[in-house]
Amino acid sequence: DIQMTQSPSSLSASVGDRVTITCRASQGITNYLAWYQQKPGKVPKLLIYAASTLQSGVPSRFSGSGSGTDFTLTISSLQPEDIATYYCQKYNSAPLTFGGGTKVEIK
Amino acid sequence: EVQLLESGGGLVQPGGSLRLSCAASGFIFNNYAMSWVRQAPGKGLEWVSIISGSDSNTYYADSVRGRFTVSRDNSKNTLYLQMNSLRAEDTAVYYCAKGASSAVAGRLNYWGQGTPVTVSS
Repeated sequence: DIQMTQSPSSLSASVGDRVTITCRASQGITNYLAWYQQKPGKVPKLLIYAASTLQSGVPSRFSGSGSGTDFTLTISSLQPEDIATYYCQKYNSAPLTFGGGTKVEIK
Repeated sequence: EVQLLESGGGLVQPGGSLRLSCAASGFIFNNYAMSWVRQAPGKGLEWVSIISGSDSNTYYADSVRGRFTVSRDNSKNTLYLQMNSLRAEDTAVYYCAKGASSAVAGRLNYWGQGTPVTVSS
């Protein structure tokens, strides 16, 4: 099975900073990669799919890139409401494995 | 509006069984695959199982294969997860999630609120 590895596992940044999270697949998954945001105590929410397509309603400061095995989630200007744990997920075929998550905090 | 409402969680002893349900509304249920995803306390998301929209193909995570069974009743717009031989490590909040297509793959574009399962003596 394909493994999904996220880095870093946590980060602390200031409001307005550019934040980058990476996700690596152990085998190529073309662009079948989604990113989810889970705020503390809340349900996960789909942010990005097909590696770079923003889900409806997601602020444009979020962007995704990559294909094959290496993917990136970028927050162009971190806002206080972006405090959350972010997960990548492969969805080309089952198992639909998640990465381990990246917890984003405000410095 | 898509709504997913899980039920059936609770406290169960190791080795016991539990059946979770997820009542769906706001979309044509049999057109979409449905997944179960769980989250142990303080841990990350773990995909558990998926069932396709109409032909009921199923897949499971290695950690639950042979113990859990996913099913759906398209006439009742309801998804199920039968959990047998439960272990302490199955303790988690269980979410049902709607797929973006009928295939046993695809992103999860809507999630329920989750139902907690605790396996303890």
